[in-house]
Amino acid sequence: AQSVTQLDSQVPVFEEAPVELRCNYSSSVSVYLFWYVQYPNQGLQLLLKYLSGSTLVKGINGFEAEFNKSQTSFHLRKPSVHISDTAEYFCAVTKGYTGFQKLVFGTGTRLLVSP
Amino acid sequence: GAVVSQHPSWVICKSGTSVKIECRSLDFQATTMFWYRQFPKQSLMLMATSNEGSKATYEQGVEKDKFLINHASLTLSTLTVTSAHPEDSSFYICSASEGRYTEAFFGQGTRLTVV
Repeated sequence: AQSVTQLDSQVPVFEEAPVELRCNYSSSVSVYLFWYVQYPNQGLQLLLKYLSGSTLVKGINGFEAEFNKSQTSFHLRKPSVHISDTAEYFCAVTKGYTGFQKLVFGTGTRLLVSP
Repeated sequence: GAVVSQHPSWVICKSGTSVKIECRSLDFQATTMFWYRQFPKQSLMLMATSNEGSKATYEQGVEKDKFLINHASLTLSTLTVTSAHPEDSSFYICSASEGRYTEAFFGQGTRLTVV
């Protein structure tokens, strides 16, 4: 079975600083990987996804992530954060053949951006 | 992206009563809907997958008689928590998808508190 580990429950950072949110996964089969963002009192929104091809994936709002198969990681990065990026970020994985179905989520990382 | 509306956003009910949560896809036909549950500081856990017009498929450990799921139309799925108890208090989130390889869009979630 797949699993996802987000080691950092909370990441404080100053505005305009770079940030990296870490995600590691375990799976015995090929996977699809996702990052979702959840703003307060809202549903989850897809930031980006890795299905195949280039290991560097660019998403919305200036975020990007790099798939590293050897390290089983899919870390999320942004070179310069804004106050509005304060939210909960979830990494998720599915088995490749299930597509977007049956997402397995990490425990989430709360990004706190301060002035 | 497409819009999924979940209602209510929060609900408080007495122990022993039943609560119904609705999940609607507003601008697309959702052949598949998913129900997740999230405990504080924990992952979103998939409870069940429902396909329009057929019985839901429950994940291991989820009581199908307690969490009744109905997906009677292509735009509406409901989750009924029967005979709710305080341990059922949680955050419930639905997502909806047009197909296996189509992005699943999330509702805003329902905070259930059983007193």
